[in-house]
Formats: sequence, structure tokens, C-alpha cells
Amino acid sequence: DQQVKQNSPSLSVQEGRISILNCDYTNSMFDYFLWYKKYPAEGPTFLISISSIKDKNEDGRFTVFLNKSAKHLSLHIVPSQPGDSAVYFCAASALSTDKLIFGTGTRLQVFP
Amino acid sequence: DAGVIQSPRHEVTEMGQEVTLRCKPISGHNSLFWYRQTMMRGLELLIYFNNNVPIDDSGMPEDRFSAKMPNASFSTLKIQPSEPRDSAVYFCASFQGSGYGYTFGSGTRLTVV
Repeated sequence: DQQVKQNSPSLSVQEGRISILNCDYTNSMFDYFLWYKKYPAEGPTFLISISSIKDKNEDGRFTVFLNKSAKHLSLHIVPSQPGDSAVYFCAASALSTDKLIFGTGTRLQVFP
Repeated sequence: DAGVIQSPRHEVTEMGQEVTLRCKPISGHNSLFWYRQTMMRGLELLIYFNNNVPIDDSGMPEDRFSAKMPNASFSTLKIQPSEPRDSAVYFCASFQGSGYGYTFGSGTRLTVV
């Protein structure tokens, strides 16, 4: 049973536009959410996170939004750049554990 | 800091053979995780250790898989016997218990033919 779901396997966006990546979760015990970025032949790297006590966290071009009632979070990248082309994984954990549960990933392609 | 180090980077083996993947976590990190990446399931947690003790191995697919962490600086994931469906990229990650999540290694791409 997939507790963290990324229903869009791929997304293509023009450079300069906004990229919106979505993630849904089913476990109401999750209270910390992260986004990771992965380039080919490399391990995932941490991008941005949000605690369940917040509904928005911003870091430069990256903003994560959390809607707890809908069990949904999204990552906004604006403006998108070609270097943002990668696979993005959503992940979640519960306070009682260090265990991160990841989604299946969304491949983002930013074209000129 | 060299980060999380995994070896080998690539492994090709024949069905039925034993495969051992290795990981050196970041010094001072007290949690270590083994993940498997596949197209269908994304990043799937296999097992994790805290202070060298296995905490949760519920993700280990079957008895053919085993993992050890004999000390704070080394862990292995073993598959015996290997099968073609084990082909995937296996990642190791370590975590210091606070801060911004895990640090991943570069992964081992396993191909079982």
C-alpha cells in the first residue's frame, strides 16, 4: 500500500514558467514532509521540508504548500530553470520515527 | 566530509549468485537506511538501523535479503540467491537525528541476468 503518492510520473514546463509538483499521502500520523531532487546516476538530495504545524515554507525559488485536511502537498518552483530538470521525490515521516516514506517520483523537464 | 559511500557503483551478476552491497555512512550519523529504487514503487525502504541496531526490517522483500551493521561505520546488504527481479538501484542513506533529512549515497545499480 503506497502511503505517499505522486500521481504524475512526468511534467514538462517551459523555462521561466512555474512548475507545480503534487503529492498525496494517506497516513494521518505523518507530521513532517520533505522534497528531494535526484539527478541521473546520483543519490537524492534534500531540497525543502515542511512541518505539519505550517502550511507554507519558502526557500528562494522553491515553495512547499501543505493542506492537511486534504492530505496533500505541492512543490512550486518559480521561475523554472533548465537545471531544475530532475526527478523529484516527496517523502513523509511521523514524529515518532526517523523513517522516511517516499513517493514514486515525478520527472520534471524544463525546456528553453 | 566524503558523504555516504557505497560500493560497488555497478554490479552485474548471474541469477542464483550471492550479491553484497556495501555502505559507509557519514561519521557521527546514528541512523542508516537501505532503499531500493524501481520504476513501479519509487524509493522503497528495505531496512533501517539506529545505533547499529536493526529497528525496522518490514520492507525486506523476502528471506533472500539480509542486512548487517557490525559497527557505526559500515553496513552490508546481501541478496542470496539473487534473482532477475532484484535488479534495481540500491541506495544507502544516513541521518544524524536532526536537521534536514537524510544524506544519500550515489547508489549501486544491480543487474541480475
